[in-house]
Amino acid sequence: AQKITQTQPGMFVQEKEAVTLDCTYDTSDPSYGLFWYKQPSSGEMIFLIYQGSYDQQNATEGRYSLNFQKARKSANLVISASQLGDSAMYFCAMREPPLTGANSKLTFGKGITLSVRP
Amino acid sequence: KAGVTQTPRYLIKTRGQQVTLSCSPISGHRSVSWYQQTPGQGLQFLFEYFSETQRNKGNFPGRFSGRQFSNSRSEMNVSTLELGDSALYLCASSGGDRGWAFFGQGTRLTVV
Repeated sequence: AQKITQTQPGMFVQEKEAVTLDCTYDTSDPSYGLFWYKQPSSGEMIFLIYQGSYDQQNATEGRYSLNFQKARKSANLVISASQLGDSAMYFCAMREPPLTGANSKLTFGKGITLSVRP
Repeated sequence: KAGVTQTPRYLIKTRGQQVTLSCSPISGHRSVSWYQQTPGQGLQFLFEYFSETQRNKGNFPGRFSGRQFSNSRSEMNVSTLELGDSALYLCASSGGDRGWAFFGQGTRLTVV
């Protein structure tokens, strides 16, 4: 069964506007961690934001915020004030327990291509 | 803190050869995991090492192997290369109290 679902086709956004990238997940474990990564054409996977299932507040890192809806099992990434450099592939990933130490396996979605228009 | 360092960045190998990729994790991180990324299969987990022991393994043939040294640096080896092994190989370093995973720049392997 697919654990991370990213179904949006390529996304386009105008520079300086906000954009939401969707991610739904499936797990029966109450403890898990959700990650978002950015992958530009160079190939490097850049860590953006993390949300733990027990975190009280939605995660925020600069222009990135996570709209975490636990009951719906969704963890959508919101990028505010888009910049041309935000054009890249974006991946949602999940880590199941244990969340620290050994067993750091991540399960990834298929990714979403975001293009920022000037 | 230095990030995750993968070497080499690019490799071209011939079918049947073997290859070794290297990954130096963030200082203090003891967990290193490897992923293969291809356009068709996306990102797939290969294996994970923690304190020099393989703790987790993905669904890959035995031609794919790895090891971790006492300084947490890790190597992965692919023997008897096939055309389908052409991919971006990413290494992730994980540690700290939140267990966040940070990736290197990847090694792009082309098998001809």
